[in-house]
Amino acid sequence: ETGVTQTPRHLVMGMTNKKSLKCEQHLGHNAMYWYKQSAKKPLELMFVYSLEERVENNSVPSRFSPECPNSSHLFLHLHTLQPEDSALYLCASSQDDGTHNEQFFGPGTRLTVL
Amino acid sequence: GNSVTQMEGPVTLSEEAFLTINCTYTATGYPSLFWYVQYPGEGLQLLLKATKADDKGSNKGFEATYRKETTSFHLEKGSVQVSDSAVYFCALSPWGGSQGNLIFGKGTKLSVKP
Repeated sequence: ETGVTQTPRHLVMGMTNKKSLKCEQHLGHNAMYWYKQSAKKPLELMFVYSLEERVENNSVPSRFSPECPNSSHLFLHLHTLQPEDSALYLCASSQDDGTHNEQFFGPGTRLTVL
Repeated sequence: GNSVTQMEGPVTLSEEAFLTINCTYTATGYPSLFWYVQYPGEGLQLLLKATKADDKGSNKGFEATYRKETTSFHLEKGSVQVSDSAVYFCALSPWGGSQGNLIFGKGTKLSVKP
């Protein structure tokens, strides 16, 4: 595997379910991100992890819970979601060394909440 | 604050037409500028970047020049192909930005007809 991978690619869940999204980066980066992409809205940065520590949480509801067990893996745990949470969830990684480095994105998980 | 404004789409062109997608930014200091592309059903991919004034980023026939005097980073391609149909995002990384923080525009959808 190369780059940034995400599983599953598609997920349908009910509002009472608990599920997790997984992201893995094979680039040796030290920072990882979760974004939400909804139709007709700008990309929303949800969480940032640098060196496995959460450094940003953009007022995301507590029904989204991130986990970063090591520099290569990032999870987004989901519980009691709402239909408006249906979106494409994108994971990204970068090498955070204080300069302006680009982020590398995974293909995303298309989430539908019924 | 930092922000990115790009032209609203959708943009529809015939094959071999000239493409311009406008992008302007507001930032303090000296940001880095990026264009990302998202093909249908996929995540974002870095298309090109420029890290200082007057730099020209180029890739796959696309070009953009960092214009500090007009705070712009317009994307151009001389002859588009059907395979260029995608959503294009302009983004900036603020000067001294931590954790590779990126600020995205809303995206411009391009459709190229044969």
